[in-house]
Amino acid sequence: AQKITQTQPGMFVQEKEAVTLDCTYDTSDPSYGLFWYKQPSSGEMIFLIYQGSYDQQNATEGRYSLNFQKARKSANLVISASQLGDSAMYFCAMREGLRDSSYKLIFGSGTRLLVRP
Amino acid sequence: NAGVTQTPKFQVLKTGQSMTLQCAQDMNHNSMYWYRQDPGMGLRLIYYSASEGTTDKGEVPNGYNVSRLNKREFSLRLESAAPSQTSVYFCASRQNRDWVNQPQHFGDGTRLSIL
Repeated sequence: AQKITQTQPGMFVQEKEAVTLDCTYDTSDPSYGLFWYKQPSSGEMIFLIYQGSYDQQNATEGRYSLNFQKARKSANLVISASQLGDSAMYFCAMREGLRDSSYKLIFGSGTRLLVRP
Repeated sequence: NAGVTQTPKFQVLKTGQSMTLQCAQDMNHNSMYWYRQDPGMGLRLIYYSASEGTTDKGEVPNGYNVSRLNKREFSLRLESAAPSQTSVYFCASRQNRDWVNQPQHFGDGTRLSIL
């Protein structure tokens, strides 16, 4: 069974500094994908970044990058130059399998990030 | 740019009452999903619909039914609400493409309280 673990319930970071949010996963499927979503206090879910299991390079999207270590089964989100607006809940999620009809996401329990001015 | 629209945004029910949560997307997506989010937990999949005319159970389907009315709309029904179903419900949609990195797009959620 697949599983996503986020071990940091809450974190603080100083504005303009970088922060790493941890995510480990467990799957027996060689084909999978990892997503990060942001949930601000307003409640909506915002897609941030994606990493595929066969991708050769770590994903990057603006200030977001993914530190993907396949052998360790970790997919940590790195936010550079933190901003006050980054304060939110962050969820790591995994899709298992490449067949489109089996596209389902399993979510971790989330990490609440608070950016200090 | 509506995206995924959920109605209502808030609802309070009494135990045993029934209710249908509505979800509509205007992105011509094939797949639609219903999740619930309980305090301190991530989202858990209730039901999903990979395409119009099909529905499948997710991780926590008990106590719920769904209808994929057409390509745009996917409703979630609680036939006899229970306090354990107090949660925030999210609808999501996604385009089915060959590229596996198509993300799911979420609505703003429905906060449901059952007394």
